[in-house]
Amino acid sequence: GENVEQHPSTLSVQEGDSAVIKCTYSDSASNYFPWYKQELGKGPQLIIDIRSNVGEKKDQRIAVTLNKTAKHFSLHITETQPEDSAVYFCAASNSQGDDKIIFGKGTRLHILP
Amino acid sequence: NAGVMQNPRHLVRRRGQEARLRCSPMKGHSHVYWYRQLPEEGLKFMVYLQKENIIDESGMPKERFSAEFPKEGPSILRIQQVVRGDSAAYFCASSVGQGVHTFGSGTRLTVV
Repeated sequence: GENVEQHPSTLSVQEGDSAVIKCTYSDSASNYFPWYKQELGKGPQLIIDIRSNVGEKKDQRIAVTLNKTAKHFSLHITETQPEDSAVYFCAASNSQGDDKIIFGKGTRLHILP
Repeated sequence: NAGVMQNPRHLVRRRGQEARLRCSPMKGHSHVYWYRQLPEEGLKFMVYLQKENIIDESGMPKERFSAEFPKEGPSILRIQQVVRGDSAAYFCASSVGQGVHTFGSGTRLTVV
């Protein structure tokens, strides 16, 4: 089955700097890669996603890249702000299959003042 | 258009009791998924259901756990004879397919 690895587990960046979180996946059948943000006591919130027919996607300060050959994908947050502090999860899914999402273990992002 | 509604938000059960967790999907969503999250860990898939059908239950323990999504009403995740190790946050998500999940706020189960 699919296995998603995520690094780092904790990341501290100065406010205004960029943050990068990296993930790898194992199943070449995976074709949908969402990123979720989870704040304390809340459910995961989808912040951006990318499908396997696209190499890069950007939404304001957030961008994702996907390298299908190497089976890795990354989240980039630029100009970080205090409200970006949260736990971020990468995930992979085969949307042509049963759609279940396999999550990485998460990255706790701290934005330092 | 309300999001995915889960209740209760918090549930405390004594060892050996039953826990029933409810999930109402977003309007128009016919796919429901349940995930479990242990402290400081990612979400682990448990079960995928469509109306009146279990599509994939490969992530659900074979004993004590069951799930249903009846023709009318919410999806139910039932845990019988709860043990301390069942303490976790249980999240429901719904979808129209093609991968995009919308998650509820979760039910935090504490077994005492």
